[in-house]
Amino acid sequence: NAGVTQTPKFQVLKTGQSMTLQCAQDMNHEYMSWYRQDPGMGLRLIHYSVGAGITDQGEVPNGYNVSRSTTEDFPLRLLSAAPSQTSVYFCASSYSGGRGRSGNTIYFGEGSWLTVV
Amino acid sequence: KNEVEQSPQNLTAQEGEFITINCSYSVGISALHWLQQHPGGGIVSLFMLSSGKKKHGRLIATINIQEKHSSLHITASHPRDSAVYICAVRYYGGSQGNLIFGKGTKLSVKP
Repeated sequence: NAGVTQTPKFQVLKTGQSMTLQCAQDMNHEYMSWYRQDPGMGLRLIHYSVGAGITDQGEVPNGYNVSRSTTEDFPLRLLSAAPSQTSVYFCASSYSGGRGRSGNTIYFGEGSWLTVV
Repeated sequence: KNEVEQSPQNLTAQEGEFITINCSYSVGISALHWLQQHPGGGIVSLFMLSSGKKKHGRLIATINIQEKHSSLHITASHPRDSAVYICAVRYYGGSQGNLIFGKGTKLSVKP
């Protein structure tokens, strides 16, 4: 298993540009989430999904859009980038648990460093 | 507002020392996670707890549901343990994909 694959690792955007951060997992996890991490703050939830076709907003959803057309993929779209969206973004996935498996272990992507100028 | 508080914020230890990192939260939870973030940024799950105690190698995690408190202990600390340790909780009624995170404890272990 590759785990959670997140791309790109680094990106510089100009204000107003749009882009998509890609996230894919090959563990057949139901749950997938996007977080942003800013200096001096804990990770904050942007959007999450409990399964294909189901998404919901987290704590800081403004300026971001998500979709979950397949179990494997959960892309995060920045609609019109702003300097306030300069951050490190993490995608995460987890299994619902049970049957003696790893249970609710959370798996994170390696992070995407985004700078908006 | 549901909050997760970690202490200390920063911790410097000598190799071999016993280390404790604390996490407290404000309302009832269904699960608590301890995570490790390496200097390069990658985040790894260490433990998921809903009660009691778990041990993996030199790491021990405990949780007291009544006191709304969890601790992460590292025995015989080593410089490779230097990282940021993050506590995260899922509150009752929250989706598994919806976690609240502490700000992290930055641990530096000196040889």
